[in-house]
Amino acid sequence: EIVLTQSPGTLSLSPGEGATLSCRASQSVSSNYLTWYQQKPGQAPRLLIYGASSRAPGVPDRFSGSGSGTDFTLTISRLEPEDFAVYHCQQYVSTPLTFGGGTKVEIK
Amino acid sequence: EVQLLESGGGLVQPGGSLRLSCAASGFSFSAYPLSWVRQAPGKGLEWVSAINGGGTSTYFADSVKGRFTISRDNSKNMLFLQMNSLRVEDTAVYYCAKKNNGYSPFDSWGQGTLVTVSS
Repeated sequence: EIVLTQSPGTLSLSPGEGATLSCRASQSVSSNYLTWYQQKPGQAPRLLIYGASSRAPGVPDRFSGSGSGTDFTLTISRLEPEDFAVYHCQQYVSTPLTFGGGTKVEIK
Repeated sequence: EVQLLESGGGLVQPGGSLRLSCAASGFSFSAYPLSWVRQAPGKGLEWVSAINGGGTSTYFADSVKGRFTISRDNSKNMLFLQMNSLRVEDTAVYYCAKKNNGYSPFDSWGQGTLVTVSS
C-alpha cells in the first residue's frame, strides 16, 4: 500500500499570498498517477490536478502541480477568497487507492 | 452533465446492515468504473470499494473486505454498496465517484450520504 503524507496539516495565509502544499509517497508513484482535490465544507471533493501536473477543465491557472517519484507539490500562486479549503492528494497507480491526510488552507 | 446522487444512509446499530445506492446520469454508465469513497467526521478521505464498467471485477479496502459488497445495475444506471456487520468506525459520509478508466482520478463525485453506526 502506498502511504501518502501531506504537509503541513494547516496553512494559515492571507488572500493574495502564495501557498505551497506537499504530498510525499512511501514509494514511487509510477507514471505520476498523482492527483489533487479541493474540498470545501459540506461539499464533495473537486478534481484540480491529475497526472501530477495537468489542470482539470475549468481550474484556474493559479493552481499548478509538480513533482515526480515520491515528492509532489501543489502550488497556488495568489490565494483568492474561494481557495480557502482542504486539499487532498491521491495516488491512482495501485489498489488500494490511497489519499493523504489533507492540508487545510485557512485565512490568517 | 454528469450527476451522481447517493441515497440510503442513516442511523444503524453496530452489527447491522445498510444498502447504499447511487443513481447516475449524464454519461454512458456501463463504460466507466465506479467507486465508493468515505470520509469519517473531521477526517480525510478513504477509498472503500471499486467496480469495473461491466460489473465483473470488484475491489475492496482491507477495512471492509468480507463485510461490504459492491454491485451495479447497468440497465438502471445504479451503483450499490451493501454494508453488513457494520462497526462504529464505519461512520462516515459515503461518496460515489466516477473514473474515466482504471488509471485515472475521480473526475465526478456525488454529494454523499451519511452513515452513522451507533447504539
